Amino acid sequence: IAGITQAPTSQILAAGRRMTLRCTQDMRHNAMYWYRQDLGLGLRLIHYSNTAGTTGKGEVPDGYSVSRANTDDFPLTLASAVPSQTSVYFCASSEVVAGEQFFGPGTRLTVL
Amino acid sequence: GQNIDQPTEMTATEGAIVQINCTYQTSGFNGLFWYQQHAGEAPTFLSYNVLDGLEEKGRFSSFLSRSKGYSYLLLKELQMKDSASYLCAVLDSNYQLIWGAGTKLIIKP
Repeated sequence: IAGITQAPTSQILAAGRRMTLRCTQDMRHNAMYWYRQDLGLGLRLIHYSNTAGTTGKGEVPDGYSVSRANTDDFPLTLASAVPSQTSVYFCASSEVVAGEQFFGPGTRLTVL
Repeated sequence: GQNIDQPTEMTATEGAIVQINCTYQTSGFNGLFWYQQHAGEAPTFLSYNVLDGLEEKGRFSSFLSRSKGYSYLLLKELQMKDSASYLCAVLDSNYQLIWGAGTKLIIKP
């Protein structure tokens, strides 16, 4: 069982380019989340999905979009990357909304 | 606003006990989580408290006082592999996790 996988592991991106970070879970969890983690700051929620077909905005949604077409996949898209989006991005999932969250290995994104 | 406070860094000796404190001010409270995060890795779940009191799980214990907006994580018989960051997170009224910046724990032999 893989749990949660993320791709790519790392990426260097030119400002203004479009980028999709992929996240897949095989635990049949209902809820999924995207966070960014920056040095000295706590994890910040970008977008979430409580169940397939629904999504919601977190604390820092601007510049990002998500979709949840099925239970397993929750891609995060940066429409036009900016340097302030340089960060480590973690995808997570939980069986229920208030439950323990399981994290993917992260994607290290650098926007130049 | 919502706020989670933890010490930035702590140092302890192998075999000793360390207590990592967390204070919070959030819009609502539906539970408090502690996660461990080794450098360069993803956070992993350690404990969950929703009622006041102490929850013990092996060498790790977590305490909660809702009236004081306070929790601590207690690590006993410290091992070198316990060197990591420890993240406190509160589930708010919208059932979203609000995260502290984490406490980096350094274990010395």
